[in-house]
Parts: sequence; structure tokens; C-alpha cells
Amino acid sequence: GIQVEQSPPDLILQEGANSTLRCNFSDSVNNLQWFHQNPWGQLINLFYIPSGTKQNGRLSATTVATERYSLLYISSSQTTDSGVYFCAVEAGGTSYGKLTFGQGTILTVHP
Amino acid sequence: SAVISQKPSRDICQRGTSLTIQCQVDSQVTMMFWYRQQPGQSLTLIATANQGSEATYESGFVIDKFPISRPNLTFSTLTVSNMSPEDSSIYLCSVEGEAGAYNEQFFGPGTRLTVL
Repeated sequence: GIQVEQSPPDLILQEGANSTLRCNFSDSVNNLQWFHQNPWGQLINLFYIPSGTKQNGRLSATTVATERYSLLYISSSQTTDSGVYFCAVEAGGTSYGKLTFGQGTILTVHP
Repeated sequence: SAVISQKPSRDICQRGTSLTIQCQVDSQVTMMFWYRQQPGQSLTLIATANQGSEATYESGFVIDKFPISRPNLTFSTLTVSNMSPEDSSIYLCSVEGEAGAYNEQFFGPGTRLTVL
């Protein structure tokens, strides 16, 4: 099946710093999503971005499908950005609707 | 986007018992999915809950251990049977936001299960 790798696994920032999270995937995808998992375990949808670039406030994401990677940018980080960031992809063929998750990036933002 | 609720939000259970988790959506959806997140790990798909037919299970998951029901287009249940401490996880259901191919998925708040 498709492989999803995220980097870095851990990231520690001071409040106000910028960061880039990366997601590499091993095959073509029909769907790619970025999630933030808060301390209570809930998954918050950040971006649905199978290709192209999107921005939402301090967050933006870019997916280059032909090169099989996606980037999540966090600018002017805040302590509330802390948590785990997951990239998840939906491969083609018989994988319709099935998301494969990366291992996540644990982000800690210190005040 | 769909609004998804799960019950219970958390539970502590004794080994050997079973727990049924409910997932309710505020609109009719074609595809519903169940995921497991073991402590400190990522999410893994358990099965696709199909309305009107048996669930489709992923490799490593079997119906006897994780029976699933999908009686209509807004509701599904996942049962964790004959539990052991290794079943301690967060269990999440997900749905597609809109019908059709390859759409954004949304997750319920999860059920945090601890097995003693």
C-alpha cells in the first residue's frame, strides 16, 4: 500500500517563530488532508489539498502531486498551535475513501 | 461539513468484556469509516461501514473482534469484543463531507477506551 512519511517527527518552537512540516507519499493520490490533533484527541481539519496551494490565516499548505509531497507552513506560531499534525492521503484504485496517515509531527510551542 | 458525535466519549472497561461505540451524523452520508489510534501512534483504518451490507475490514482486523453495524445513512456502531489491555486506544469514526468521489473527510470527537 501507499507509504506516508512526515518530517520532522518532533519540533520545538518559541512563540512567534515560523515552521514548515513536510509530508512525502509514495504513490499518486486523489486526496490529501492535513489535520491538527488537539490534546483532547480531536482531529481538526486544516486543509483538503490534493494539489495546489491554500491559505487560512497563519497557516498555508502546498501540495506538489507530481513530486509526491506536501508542505504545511505555520507562521507566527502560538502556544495554541501545539499538538500533533497529521498528513493523510487517499490513494487511487480500490482505496476509495480510505485514508492512510503519516506518523505525525509533534509540535510544541513555548511562550 | 457534517457534524459527527460519538458515544461514549470515554470509558474504562475490564478485560474480557465488550464495548459498543456509537457514531451519529447530522446528515445522510454514503461512506462511514472506523479508525483506531493506539497510544502515541498514528491512526489506522479498521473498516468501512457499508449501509445495507457487511462492513469491509482492513488487513489485521476481523469481524469477530470488531463487529460493525450500519442500519441507516446517519448511524453506525463499532463493538470492541473480548477486550484486552492492548485494545486501549482512541476509536474514531469519519465520514465524507459530501457525496461523490474523493472528498474531504471529517472525524468524530473520538472514544477514549482504557482496558484494565
